[in-house]
Amino acid sequence: DAGVIQSPRHEVTEMGQEVTLRCKPISGHNSLFWYRQTMMRGLELLIYFNNNVPIDDSGMPEDRFSAKMPNASFSTLKIQPSEPRDSAVYFCASTPLEGGSSYTFGSGTRLTVV
Amino acid sequence: RKEVEQDPGPFNVPEGATVAFNCTYSNSASQSFFWYRQDCRKEPKLLMSVYSSGNEDGRFTAQLNRASQYISLLIRDSKLSDSATYLCVVNSGSARQLTFGSGTQLTVLP
Repeated sequence: DAGVIQSPRHEVTEMGQEVTLRCKPISGHNSLFWYRQTMMRGLELLIYFNNNVPIDDSGMPEDRFSAKMPNASFSTLKIQPSEPRDSAVYFCASTPLEGGSSYTFGSGTRLTVV
Repeated sequence: RKEVEQDPGPFNVPEGATVAFNCTYSNSASQSFFWYRQDCRKEPKLLMSVYSSGNEDGRFTAQLNRASQYISLLIRDSKLSDSATYLCVVNSGSARQLTFGSGTQLTVLP
């Protein structure tokens, strides 16, 4: 199994630009999570999906952030417009819907907004 | 109060030492507990689940005290390769929504 695949690994963009992060969960995993990690705040849950349906987006910082999961094998997290304070590592994780609730994380996207 | 609280460390210990990490959680309805390990500039990876009866995996022992809402991780005979940040993880809300502590940094010195 290839694991959870995220792209890009690194993204440097200018303030005001749109940023799209991508995630492919493990095949057969029905729950997908987007986390953000910073030194100051640690790992924060942004949003999660069960069977492609957004369940809880209360962690999304503001309207500039949006996430979609058009099918079971793909999700995107979009920031528009980006700001320097969005600089962080963004992780995607997945888990099977049935039983066993530990997560498998992707390698993350390191975002720098200048 | 944070939902999951850990001693941030850092812990600097010599090779071969025994080191213990502690964690408390606030949601008494939590049912699933884990320790994750995160190496520098890498993703978190599951180290072990924590069961009510306590469990051991080689040099690692995890304990859970539901009455005190307290979780611990003991590492015996520490190795240089154990250097990492250890994250205490507890489920909250739905059974599939995990909350991560801020982590405890461990450095094992030669």
